[in-house]
Amino acid sequence: GQQVMQIPQYQHVQEGEDFTTYCNSSTTLSNIQWYKQRPGGHPVFLIQLVKSGEVKKQKRLTFQFGEAKKNSSLHITATQTTDVGTYFCAGPIGYYGQNFVFGPGTRLSVLP
Amino acid sequence: GAGVSQSPRYKVAKRGQDVALRCDPISGHVSLFWYQQALGQGPEFLTYFQNEAQLDKSGLPSDRFFAERPEGSVSTLKIQRTQQEDSAVYLCASSLARTGPYEQYFGPGTRLTVT
Repeated sequence: GQQVMQIPQYQHVQEGEDFTTYCNSSTTLSNIQWYKQRPGGHPVFLIQLVKSGEVKKQKRLTFQFGEAKKNSSLHITATQTTDVGTYFCAGPIGYYGQNFVFGPGTRLSVLP
Repeated sequence: GAGVSQSPRYKVAKRGQDVALRCDPISGHVSLFWYQQALGQGPEFLTYFQNEAQLDKSGLPSDRFFAERPEGSVSTLKIQRTQQEDSAVYLCASSLARTGPYEQYFGPGTRLTVT
């Protein structure tokens, strides 16, 4: 079946350092979504990428969708303690394209 | 405005008991999803509803799992004869869109512990 992988599994950074997480799918995706889950919380939608090669920015966060639409990345510039959490990518499967396969996530720790 | 709510937030069940988990989606949201999230893992898809129609239940792990959304709003996930491997957080999410790419709004989840 379709698989979505993420690396690294864990990342510890000093506050102010940059952070990047990578997402890879075994199949071409029509779109990809990114979610953030704070410790003890639930996933919160960050962004959706649809076009090949698309790049979107949200303040210090930069999201990219690969040209082949099989990989994506999330880059955070100058991390802050509020960035702590697990970042998941998710890609749609199924006939209706409404079900999403989530990656295992990258857990980010930011040391003050 | 009100988000997705789930109840109970925590449930402890003895092995073999039946449980029912409730999800109240955002008003007007057509699509509703159930996910299972094990500790340290990403959410795993269980089932999807569009209004009252269950269009995909391919993720339900066994016939002990059953979900319904009879009036196209509130949904219930029922687990019969619970097993220890059913212990997880069960997340409900809803979305406004009927088709195409969309944003999912997650509820706080129900943490199920089977002893």
